[in-house]
Order: sequence, then C-alpha cells, then structure tokens
Amino acid sequence: AQKVTQAQTEISVVEKEDVTLDCVYETRDTTYYLFWYKQPPSGELVFLIRRNSFDEQNEISGRYSWNFQKSTSSFNFTITASQVVDSAVYFCALKAAGGGNKLTFGTGTQLKVEL
Amino acid sequence: SQTIHQWPATLVQPVGSPLSLECTVEGTSNPNLYWYRQAAGRGLQLLFYSVGIGQISSEVPQNLSASRPQDRQFILSSKKLLLSDSGFYLCAWSVGGLYNEQFFGPGTRLTVL
Repeated sequence: AQKVTQAQTEISVVEKEDVTLDCVYETRDTTYYLFWYKQPPSGELVFLIRRNSFDEQNEISGRYSWNFQKSTSSFNFTITASQVVDSAVYFCALKAAGGGNKLTFGTGTQLKVEL
Repeated sequence: SQTIHQWPATLVQPVGSPLSLECTVEGTSNPNLYWYRQAAGRGLQLLFYSVGIGQISSEVPQNLSASRPQDRQFILSSKKLLLSDSGFYLCAWSVGGLYNEQFFGPGTRLTVL
C-alpha cells in the first residue's frame, strides 16, 4: 500500500520567515516519483516539482528548495523568506508502480503567511 | 502551450438532478485524463482516469460516471445527484509515461442541495 503523510495541518509564519513543510511517504516499490503541488485560494492545483526515487539530489528553485532523503522516506519542502503570496495549501504526492495509475496525495498543509 | 478548461466554474444542483461537467485540453495530443474530487477537509480522491478515447477506469464505486468521446474531452456525469456528491471537482492531464506530472484545471465547485 502507498501512503503520504503530511503531519502539519496548518502552519502560520510571519513574512520573511523560512518555513519547511514535511512530507513522509510509504511504498514498497523501488521506483517511484514524488511531487509537490500548491493550491492557492482560487482552487487550481499548481505543479511545483517532480523527483524520481533514483535522484536524491536536493533541488533549489528561487525561494523554493526540496530535500529528498530516502533513508527517512521524506521529501520536505522549504520556502525561504516567505511572502504573503505563498499562502496556500501544499500537497505532497506519490506515484509508484504498485499504486497503478494513482497519484496518492497527502492531506495537505495549509500555509498562512502574515505581514 | 497546453491549457485545460473546465466548466462550469460553479454549480448548484438539487438532489436527484443530473450532472454533466466538461473538461477539455488544448495544445497536446493523446493525453491521459483524470477526474478528482476534493471534499471539505482538502483530501483529493481520484475518481476516473482515461488513457485514450472510450477507455475509462473507475477508481471507486460511486454515483458518477465518466466518458471520453474525443481525444481531448473528458466528461463527468451523474443521472441522479446525491448530497454526498458535493465537492470541488478537478480535471487533470498528463502526457508520456504515467509517472509524468499531472496538470490540473481550474475546477468546478458543485453544491448539491
């Protein structure tokens, strides 16, 4: 069975603070892909990143960075110098052969960035 | 560039009425298409997916059905809506391998009264 856990239901920070969103996954497959999506108040899910299980290099894109650690089955997402526009629900997701064609989502983390 | 459209954006329907939600994708061919529902509390549930015209896979038993009459058109339907069908319905597409990222439409917010 596949599972994605986002233990943080809601996080509130003040603008310019750094914030890390946690994601822990479970799968028996050795080949799998991990994703992060952002859902702003408008509702549309915006794709942020995809990583495969064979590439543990951390990635940085502007103020966003991702830390993939197979040893702890985690794929954490850090926003540096947060801004009000970062306020959204963030979803971590997993896709693996054992899960068929399903994109298994976590329950999401609501991030609120305040002035 | 590729774009995905969904309509209507919002819908209020009485219990027992029929439903038809439409999703179309532009700028790509032979996409994989998906319908998700997001109920209150944010969880996303895959309802249907399609890898080609007329090919529909259902993930959960429910009151809904899906059809793909054209390559880039995906329709979600119901003959009689239930209160529990209320939610936010998202269509998504992907191309290439099934591990590629999915891109989501703007969604339809359905309220069944």
